[in-house]
Amino acid sequence: QVQLQESGPGLVKPSQTLSLTCSVSGASISSGGYFWSWIRQHPGKGLEWFGYIYHSGSTYYNPSLKSRVTMSRDTSANRFSLKLTSVTAADTAVYYCARGEAGTNKFDPWGQGILVTVSS
Amino acid sequence: DIQMTQSPSSLSASVGGRVTITCRASQSISTYLNWYQQKPGKAPNLLIYAASSLQSGVPSRFSGSGSGTDFTLTITSLHPEDFATYYCQQSYTTPLTFGGGTKVEI
Repeated sequence: QVQLQESGPGLVKPSQTLSLTCSVSGASISSGGYFWSWIRQHPGKGLEWFGYIYHSGSTYYNPSLKSRVTMSRDTSANRFSLKLTSVTAADTAVYYCARGEAGTNKFDPWGQGILVTVSS
Repeated sequence: DIQMTQSPSSLSASVGGRVTITCRASQSISTYLNWYQQKPGKAPNLLIYAASSLQSGVPSRFSGSGSGTDFTLTITSLHPEDFATYYCQQSYTTPLTFGGGTKVEI
């Protein structure tokens, strides 16, 4: 059974960098056919996709966030990470990591999510 | 970006009833459409992929249909645990985008 777990600080100060990690168990992030994504949900709102890091290590970022986003991976630890720079209160959200399937681009499973609040 | 519009944004239904949720894409996406269910405080859960394929483990009372720009999610014989928010997601092209959600309430 594939499981994902987000970790990182729940509080980040404005203008700083938000850093989150997603630890994966039950599957290798280097296995073909899948990509690994970050998705966020503002309080009471819809879902916003950040982009992906592919099993090969290649990345794609949503153009709306591209200038502030970096995704990376640690294959030895089987985890991948998100960095979002220059955060503001508008970046306060629940952040999810999820596995995407190449071809169908469906997300399954998801991590439980982590609430990140941007505040001084 | 492809815009995904869901309707209605919320609806009231009864246990045992039937619910239909609509999702419209701003351009044709063939059948590259997925549906998720989200309960309060939980992550979304995949229900339907490729417009009409039922994800493993999902009850058969959930079904999806449509192609091109117009899609529907139907829940027959609502169970108490089906009261949740439902999201569609286009998987046709990047950036992948989601609809605004439909809250199904009692």
